[in-house]
Amino acid sequence: DTGVSQDPRHKITKRGQNVTFRCDPISEHNRLYWYRQTLGQGPEFLTYFQNEAQLEKSRLLSDRFSAERPKGSFSTLEIQRTEQGDSAMYLCASSLVVRAGELFFGEGSRLTVL
Amino acid sequence: GENVEQHPSTLSVQEGDSAVIKCTYSDSASNYFPWYKQELGKRPQLIIDIRSNVGEKKDQRIAVTLNKTAKHFSLHITETQPEDSAVYFCAASMEYGNKLVFGAGTILRVKS
Repeated sequence: DTGVSQDPRHKITKRGQNVTFRCDPISEHNRLYWYRQTLGQGPEFLTYFQNEAQLEKSRLLSDRFSAERPKGSFSTLEIQRTEQGDSAMYLCASSLVVRAGELFFGEGSRLTVL
Repeated sequence: GENVEQHPSTLSVQEGDSAVIKCTYSDSASNYFPWYKQELGKRPQLIIDIRSNVGEKKDQRIAVTLNKTAKHFSLHITETQPEDSAVYFCAASMEYGNKLVFGAGTILRVKS
């Protein structure tokens, strides 16, 4: 395990469908973050976990978004009833608690909603 | 909450020249300031960071300076090379805190 992996790398869906992304963090990292990035913008925080506990969720995140990290290892991000405005790159990152600012990002999952 | 502003949005320099990117932050409680480099189609990667107990940090051709009073910090790249071309993001957080807040990014183009 040499880095954060995300799956799928690309997802094209029709408006109204549900999508799920998976993130596998660096194995010894206890923090896991989800960010969203649109063209020309910096990563925007969505939510983060410490072990299996979801400690914060952005107020920008609607109820259609849900994230889990059931065993404190991999995480899933689900978007229900997708809208065209959900089209973006969804980035997962992980870190150690003691070095919480040093994020290691995955390659991202690009979502296109038609 | 924290807000980070970054300038300029694009920067073109000639190879060998220096490049400076500036960021300001709003939350005086922030004490950790990393910089990430994102090449086209790649993941953001940490290139340098600074904590609020120091004013400057260098790593080869890259340096970061921090002015806590004015709440701004800057990235300096000397002797720029074509491979420095990328998008650079500044960020701020409380160390051991909950999340990084990123700036909007600076597109750096190094012309050879």
